[in-house]
Amino acid sequence: AQSVTQLDSHVSVSEGTPVLLRCNYSSSYSPSLFWYVQHPNKGLQLLLKYTSAATLVKGINGFEAEFKKSETSFHLTKPSAHMSDAAEYFCVVSPPPRDSNYQLIWGAGTKLIIKP
Amino acid sequence: EPEVTQTPSHQVTQMGQEVILRCVPISNHLYFYWYRQILGQKVEFLVSFYNNEISEKSEIFDDQFSVERPDGSNFTLKIRSTKLEDSAMYFCARQDSNSPLHFGNGTRLTVT
Repeated sequence: AQSVTQLDSHVSVSEGTPVLLRCNYSSSYSPSLFWYVQHPNKGLQLLLKYTSAATLVKGINGFEAEFKKSETSFHLTKPSAHMSDAAEYFCVVSPPPRDSNYQLIWGAGTKLIIKP
Repeated sequence: EPEVTQTPSHQVTQMGQEVILRCVPISNHLYFYWYRQILGQKVEFLVSFYNNEISEKSEIFDDQFSVERPDGSNFTLKIRSTKLEDSAMYFCARQDSNSPLHFGNGTRLTVT
């Protein structure tokens, strides 16, 4: 069975400081992992994805995430927060290989708050 | 410009009324999905659609829900008789083989 846990419901950082959004997963297979971002009143946008290639994945807007199998983690980081990063972030897991169905398992989300 | 366009962006309806939410993928894709997100809660899977038929659905997707691809382009989610608890953001997503899901901007459904 697959599951994903986002350890913090809210994270608050000052503009210009590093961001860390934590995600742990449980999977009986080597999963594919994603981070999606949802800005207020907007749709879900893919930030980055891990699909068993490089363990350090670079995404859009300066975000990156590192897949650590030993820790079953896929934490999202950014060196310097910007006000426009304020949004809700979802860690998502899916089981490979892909068959005819493709059901994502969603974390509960982490709301990132940026203080000026 | 989003690769998936959802209309309307906001729908207000009275309890018991039927609503149709529309999704227009810009190019041909293999797989389509509907998800919903009740305010303050997790994103929930509703249904997946492959080769013009439902391939998987969740417990939420009961008899009051249906999906269609009526003209080979639009992908619709119909809720036959809305309830207050159907108020949520509804997201359409498309996917090609081995690629992540790409979502539309969502339709906010408010049932009064």
